[in-house]
Amino acid sequence: QLQLQESGSGLVKPSQTLSLTCAVSGGSISSGGYSWSWIRQPPGKGLEWIGYIYHSGSTYYNPSLKSRVTISVDRSKNQFSLKLSSVTAADTAVYYCARDPGGWGWFDPWGQGTLVTVSS
Amino acid sequence: QSALTQPRSVSGSPGQSVTISCTGTSSDVGGYNYVSWYQQHPGKAPKLMIYDVSKRPSGVPDRFSGSKSGNTASLTISGLQAEDEADYYCCSYAGSHVVFGGGTKLTVL
Repeated sequence: QLQLQESGSGLVKPSQTLSLTCAVSGGSISSGGYSWSWIRQPPGKGLEWIGYIYHSGSTYYNPSLKSRVTISVDRSKNQFSLKLSSVTAADTAVYYCARDPGGWGWFDPWGQGTLVTVSS
Repeated sequence: QSALTQPRSVSGSPGQSVTISCTGTSSDVGGYNYVSWYQQHPGKAPKLMIYDVSKRPSGVPDRFSGSKSGNTASLTISGLQAEDEADYYCCSYAGSHVVFGGGTKLTVL
């Protein structure tokens, strides 16, 4: 059974870079032709797609975040990562990683999520 | 890129049916048969309930069904149960990116 687990700093200062990693277990990140995504949810608000990386290595980002986002894969560690630069308080959210089995924008399974707070 | 439009809240009594709508544009919902729906209980990660407009993953009860007409997708829950009370989000592929709805809170009376 595939499982995903987010990890990273829970507190980031304004203007700095948020860095998170999603460890994949129960399967290889390189198999199946899947895509791997990041999605976030500000406290008390709805879900926002951040972006994904295809099995080919191509990346696609939310246009509203594109200038600040980088998603990458480390196949040797079976994990993928998110970097979001120049953060502000508006980036405070629970960040989820998820697999997109078809590359068509549906997500299953999800990680449990990790809260990242942007504050000085 | 605008969020898909969902009603803020819906409600129903146990045993009844409810439908949650999700309205987009021809660039997302209307342009692709890649609409998905997620159930989220408080403090939990979202759970996939419907994908590709109307397909149910293994383990999701057949009380949950999805459909689409034009730029509007719908999630119908029949035979409402107490455990169905949750937030529901729709999601659509939009050609190299993805957009979510604002979410709908389902209350089981």
